[in-house]
Amino acid sequence: DSGVTQTPKHLITATGQRVTLRCSPRSGDLSVYWYQQSLDQGLQFLIQYYNGEERAKGNILERFSAQQFPDLHSELNLSSLELGDSALYFCASSVGAGPGHGAFFGQGTRLTVV
Amino acid sequence: AQKVTQAQTEISVVEKEDVTLDCVYETRDTTYYLFWYKQPPSGELVFLIRRNSFDEQNEISGRYSWNFQKSTSSFNFTITASQVVDSAVYFCALSGPNAGKSTFGDGTTLTVKP
Repeated sequence: DSGVTQTPKHLITATGQRVTLRCSPRSGDLSVYWYQQSLDQGLQFLIQYYNGEERAKGNILERFSAQQFPDLHSELNLSSLELGDSALYFCASSVGAGPGHGAFFGQGTRLTVV
Repeated sequence: AQKVTQAQTEISVVEKEDVTLDCVYETRDTTYYLFWYKQPPSGELVFLIRRNSFDEQNEISGRYSWNFQKSTSSFNFTITASQVVDSAVYFCALSGPNAGKSTFGDGTTLTVKP
């Protein structure tokens, strides 16, 4: 158990819908990262938050947004969902803002868009 | 731009064999960090090791060892006396000096047969 909690574990929704994925980082970790893992794209970095502020942005679509709350949990919002958004979405956390610490990953949320 | 190449898509070995997973990276940063993660069939990503660009010492942890060579931009991972439980997808990842986002390789699927 990495200490990173993601909910829900599985999500099935229809095209055009909006979903919210939730992540609780390890106790004491200030950084939260979101990654998307799909068969065709592999593991892709989406976005990083550090202590409530956006720290780095990757290949995140405009239909996607995220935020980190004062209690450090984070949510990833996916809207106008398309079939191609079906993927495993991982949240990871680390102590610092930089990469000097290994990131610990949650078990992921498997999103299926039908 | 950063790039991580794991040329071996799939490897199959028999239990107790040694196996080496290759990782070659590209970066223009002088400070960077390299990681290995394991993704077992259950789907979670397990952090294995972090190495920074200034530390070329090889590392051994039980049956796992890592060989970092800046001269060849490689960070290879060896499992000694492999076990069936080692069967998983293994990812090599690279981060720059600042934000914690990582670039992942496509992964190597290791199957260890009894």
